[in-house]
Amino acid sequence: EAQVTQNPRYLITVTGKKLTVTCSQNMNHEYMSWYRQDPGLGLRQIYYSMNVEVTDKGDVPEGYKVSRKEKRNFPLILESPSPNQTSLYFCASSLTQMNTEAFFGQGTRLTVV
Amino acid sequence: AQSVAQPEDQVNVAEGNPLTVKCTYSVSGNPYLFWYVQYPNRGLQFLLKYITGDNLVKGSYGFEAEFNKSQTSFHLKKPSALVSDSALYFCAVRDISGYSTLTFGKGTMLLVSP
Repeated sequence: EAQVTQNPRYLITVTGKKLTVTCSQNMNHEYMSWYRQDPGLGLRQIYYSMNVEVTDKGDVPEGYKVSRKEKRNFPLILESPSPNQTSLYFCASSLTQMNTEAFFGQGTRLTVV
Repeated sequence: AQSVAQPEDQVNVAEGNPLTVKCTYSVSGNPYLFWYVQYPNRGLQFLLKYITGDNLVKGSYGFEAEFNKSQTSFHLKKPSALVSDSALYFCAVRDISGYSTLTFGKGTMLLVSP
């Protein structure tokens, strides 16, 4: 089954404690991205990757890091989480960046206290 | 900069009635346009897209959308709403000229009453 898998689904952590949210896709997609969803703000892109070892900032990259060492994996790293990073996070992948539809993971609800 | 506006936070419709969820966009060039749906505790699911060609696009679950270039709109429609259509709907746009990111609207909650 074609899918994007995120882990964990839920995470509560404390300010400053480094964490990683994993994302993996099994569709051999080139393009992957991370979004955060906040009430009244919709989805905002954090980072994206057009292929292995190619990443770039989205609209709200501050406080986040990513890496793309393998085509299937695109982890999101919060080196020093802060309460304003409490949000619902989605990973997405698509065959290419341009006119193909994106497949989304089920989301990770992160709470930073 | 590209942008998407979904002017209604919520749309209420009775089951069996037609529904419309509005979307307008702004891009410097020509757009690729998408609609996604989000059910509770789920990720977004693709509904339909406009790339080029026929202005009326048909998608999943009986939904369709009409691209109107002069009004820069891409409204989502369905002739007869179902209670199960109740969900959060997102419109998204990408400029086809150059490499741009996908920009989402803020979402519209659709509530279909029995």
